Amino acid sequence: AQKITQTQPGMFVQEKEAVTLDCTYDTSDPSYGLFWYKQPSSGEMIFLIYQGSYDQQNATEGRYSLNFQKARKSANLVISASQLGDSAMYFCAMRAYSSASKIIFGSGTRLSIRP
Amino acid sequence: DTGVSQNPRHKITKRGQNVTFRCDPISEHNRLYWYRQTLGQGPEFLTYFQNEAQLEKSRLLSDRFSAERPKGSFSTLEIQRTEQGDSAMYLCASSADRGNEQYFGPGTRLTVT
Repeated sequence: AQKITQTQPGMFVQEKEAVTLDCTYDTSDPSYGLFWYKQPSSGEMIFLIYQGSYDQQNATEGRYSLNFQKARKSANLVISASQLGDSAMYFCAMRAYSSASKIIFGSGTRLSIRP
Repeated sequence: DTGVSQNPRHKITKRGQNVTFRCDPISEHNRLYWYRQTLGQGPEFLTYFQNEAQLEKSRLLSDRFSAERPKGSFSTLEIQRTEQGDSAMYLCASSADRGNEQYFGPGTRLTVT
């Protein structure tokens, strides 16, 4: 069975500081992809970053980077220089390539940025 | 706007009524997905289409739920005889055949009274 675990229900961070959102996963599939999505209060799921299980380097997209530690089965999201607009729910997710369709989501972390 | 669109954005209905939601994916995307999200949880997969073919359905999709994608473009999700437990956000997503990420629409929030 596949599972995503996010152990931080909520986090508060001072503006301009870096923040790490934790994510661990479990799958027996050797080939999989890991995702992070942002969901602001408006409700739309916004794709942030993707990491393939065979990618040698950690993925980066602007201020977002994914700290991928395959042996530990962790895929933490790092946001550098946080901004007020980063306040939102953040979901870690996974898709095993044996299942060409569904993405399994974690329960999310609510990030609040303090001015 | 060329993103995924969903209509209506909000729907309030009485228990026992039928409701239908529509999703228009990104035009060049062949794959379309429906998810359900309840308060405080991440989205849960409901069903998946490749072109017009429905290839996978979750056990969450009871026989009161039906989804179609008749011409491989837009999709509809119908819930018959709605129950209060059906109250949730219904999200649609699409992806390209060889794409990794799924792009989500704004969702339809259903409230069953």
